[in-house]
Amino acid sequence: DAEITQSPRHKITETGRQVTLACHQTWNHNNMFWYRQDLGHGLRLIHYSYGVQDTNKGEVSDGYSVSRSNTEDLPLTLESAASSQTSVYFCASSESGEEETQYFGPGTRLLVL
Amino acid sequence: AQSVTQLGSHVSVSEGALVLLRCNYSSSVPPYLFWYVQYPNQGLQLLLKYTSAATLVKGINGFEAEFKKSETSFHLTKPSAHMSDAAEYFCAVSSLSGGSQGNLIFGKGTKLSVKP
Repeated sequence: DAEITQSPRHKITETGRQVTLACHQTWNHNNMFWYRQDLGHGLRLIHYSYGVQDTNKGEVSDGYSVSRSNTEDLPLTLESAASSQTSVYFCASSESGEEETQYFGPGTRLLVL
Repeated sequence: AQSVTQLGSHVSVSEGALVLLRCNYSSSVPPYLFWYVQYPNQGLQLLLKYTSAATLVKGINGFEAEFKKSETSFHLTKPSAHMSDAAEYFCAVSSLSGGSQGNLIFGKGTKLSVKP
């Protein structure tokens, strides 16, 4: 069955370190998204991609970057981790189109000390 | 610009009681609307979606939602709550801004508790 996976599931790091969170989907979807989830804020969009070599900034992109070198993967990099980036991170993918369902990964819980 | 408001960050019902979770949207054109559910320590999964066909949409686990254009609402209901329905529920609208190919705008979520 097609799926979307994230790794690691849990990560503890120190401020200032670079961290990369992996997202891999086997749906062959063009669209991929990264969100962060924080209490009281719901899900906020960090970055998204509509296809290989395409990346776009979302609502809360400062301090984060992504790259899309193939259809299956969209890694999220925290350039220099900050305590404000402690959060739960979700990756999602979908077919192109405004009516299409987004399929979510299980999430990565990141703690920045 | 589209937006979503979910009324009530926490809703508590008794087992067997009606579940009503409220969602109002703002959109200048007919929107696509979604309800997602998130169980503890899991990702979000689709409950149901409205894509301009029938205004009453049936989803998984006995949930349904009715699109009411005049009220700009898309409330989620279930006639009889079950303990397994305890979760957080998110309403979302598809962004129709130029060039969007499927971005979603989420509400802040409503946590549903079910009392025995």
